[in-house]
This record gives sequence, structure tokens and C-alpha cells, in this order.
Amino acid sequence: DTGVSQDPRHKITKRGQNVTFRCDPISEHNRLYWYRQTLGQGPEFLTYFQNEAQLEKSRLLSDRFSAERPKGSFSTLEIQRTEQGDSAMYLCASSPGAGIPNEKLFFGSGTQLSVL
Amino acid sequence: KQEVTQIPAALSVPEGENLVLNCSFTDSAIYNLQWFRQDPGKGLTSLLLIQSSQREQTSGRLNASLDKSSGRSTLYIAASQPGDSATYLCAVQYSGAGSYQLTFGKGTKLSVIP
Repeated sequence: DTGVSQDPRHKITKRGQNVTFRCDPISEHNRLYWYRQTLGQGPEFLTYFQNEAQLEKSRLLSDRFSAERPKGSFSTLEIQRTEQGDSAMYLCASSPGAGIPNEKLFFGSGTQLSVL
Repeated sequence: KQEVTQIPAALSVPEGENLVLNCSFTDSAIYNLQWFRQDPGKGLTSLLLIQSSQREQTSGRLNASLDKSSGRSTLYIAASQPGDSATYLCAVQYSGAGSYQLTFGKGTKLSVIP
């Protein structure tokens, strides 16, 4: 499978715990994005990487959230001290990054987080 | 605040019917508008991307139009099939600061009845 891969598919955690999600983009895609989607809503942008550089961060990304893409390949999104309001589907997407903004994004199947 | 609105929120049609989904956006300074499909509990699949200089794009039974001046786009689905049942999301890539992010609508949930 050469699509965007996310792990785990589902995560249940207790309030206050830390969680980490992983995203493997399509090989050779330079751009990687994280979005968050709650039930009945469209996805909301969280952050964007061009290779290993994190170039954009949403105000939604509080200081409890941190994302990395250390070698410009896979990325991790960590949430510290989880709250019930963090419960959502976390979606990763990638795009080729050929220097133009008009690119189709390829999304993974997401990680569904439930905070009890 | 840049917003994207989709109407209707839900739509149910009999198989074989042609249908139109609507999307409106608040700012005409865009790079492109994209339509996605999302199946329950799954990620998004890109259907069509219309650049700001284009008026429409077609893929199979799907046709998307863009009227940037009025802030509107439509997705036309011809001869609908039960397999088309899904949520359809419209997203706009605004130009300027934050230009690599997409702003999504809440989606239209489509049910095609056999």
C-alpha cells in the first residue's frame, strides 16, 4: 500500500495521559499536514511541514500539542495532558510539494482519539 | 474570518437521479477550491481541484464549477448510484498568510437509495 499510513487507528486514553500518533506520508512527498475533525464538522487545520521544517501552526495547536517530522519523512503528533475536548479524529495528509500551492492532498484513514 | 458553507447538510435521492451540492465561501482571494469524499470513519479522498483561474473540472460523472466573484461552487453528480453515498466536503485554499492550509465546510451527507 503506497498511500498515507496512520497509526494507531484508534486510541482510548484517560484524561491527563499523554498520547502520540504517527503518520507515514506517501514516499517522496515533501509536504505533510495534520488536521483534526470532530463529529459533524469539517477537518480543521493544525500544522504543516515542508520537509522537516514546521512552517505553519494553527492557533488550535495549544502548547499541549507538539508535532515533529525529524527526517522529513514520517511525522508524530503528541498531545500532553489530554482533555476530553481533545477527542476527535486526527487526520494526516501529504502532497508532492512541487513549489506550487495547487496540489491535491492525499489523506490517511485517521486516528480516532477518545479521552475518557 | 474565512468561512466555507455547504448546503444542504444532508440529501437523500433515488438511484439514477442527477444532483447538485452547493458550497459558498467568504473571500474571493483563493488559490483553489477542492471537493473531497469521506466515507464513515475514514479519511478523505480528493475528487476534484479547481484552480482560481478555472471555471470547472470534470471527472467521470462528476462536474465541479467555480464562480470566484460570487464565492460559489457546485458539485454535480450525474446518474447517482448507491456507491456514491458518502459525505462530500468542500475546501478552499485561501491565498496570503496561512496559504498552505485548507478551510473546510461541514459537508453534505448524501444517501442514494436503491
